Amino acid sequence: DVQMTQSPSSLSAFVGDRVTITCRAGQRIATYLNWYQQKPGTPPKLLIFGSSNVQTGVPSRFSGSGSGTDFTLTISSLQAEDFGTYYCQQSYNSPYTFGQGTKLEIK
Amino acid sequence: DVQVVESGGGIVQPGGSLRLSCAVSGFTLNKYWIHWVRQAPGEGLEWISRINNDGTTTYADSVKGRFTISRDDAKNTIYLQMNSLRDDDTAMYYCTRGATAGTWPVLDPWGLGTLVTVSS
Repeated sequence: DVQMTQSPSSLSAFVGDRVTITCRAGQRIATYLNWYQQKPGTPPKLLIFGSSNVQTGVPSRFSGSGSGTDFTLTISSLQAEDFGTYYCQQSYNSPYTFGQGTKLEIK
Repeated sequence: DVQVVESGGGIVQPGGSLRLSCAVSGFTLNKYWIHWVRQAPGEGLEWISRINNDGTTTYADSVKGRFTISRDDAKNTIYLQMNSLRDDDTAMYYCTRGATAGTWPVLDPWGLGTLVTVSS
């Protein structure tokens, strides 16, 4: 199985801050990397697919980058509604493994 | 609207069984893979099973031999039969469609989940 490791595990930031979350794959996965946002009591929601493609309806402040083993999710200007937990997920190999999550809180 | 709706969760004793259902609408089930992902309380996401549109099934090691995924395309429903349940199977169980965005596999949409509690 491909191990996915996210950092940090949690972070707290102010509205307007630039926020970066990283995800590292245990083997090269090209750009088969997706990002999901999960708010408490709700299912995950697809944000970014193929490392850098923003899902329809997702605000443009969200962006993704990376290929191979190292990936980044960036929120260019944090908004209050961006709180939640963010997960990376690889779809290069079955099983589709997830990172452990990054919990984002608003200061 | 594309939708997946889970049902069948509940409280079950260790060693017991439960069958979850995932009813889909808004798309043709036999053209898609369907996945089950679970989330233990306060924990992250764990992929546990998948059924392809040709009926091929795959399982995580944590459930292999205990869980069985199946599909009834005529009823637009996917099932997860869970046997020999253990305390650590306690989780919210999500059904999600394996779709393709561009050329990349994604899990979208997700249902609201159904809660399984294994407790004596």
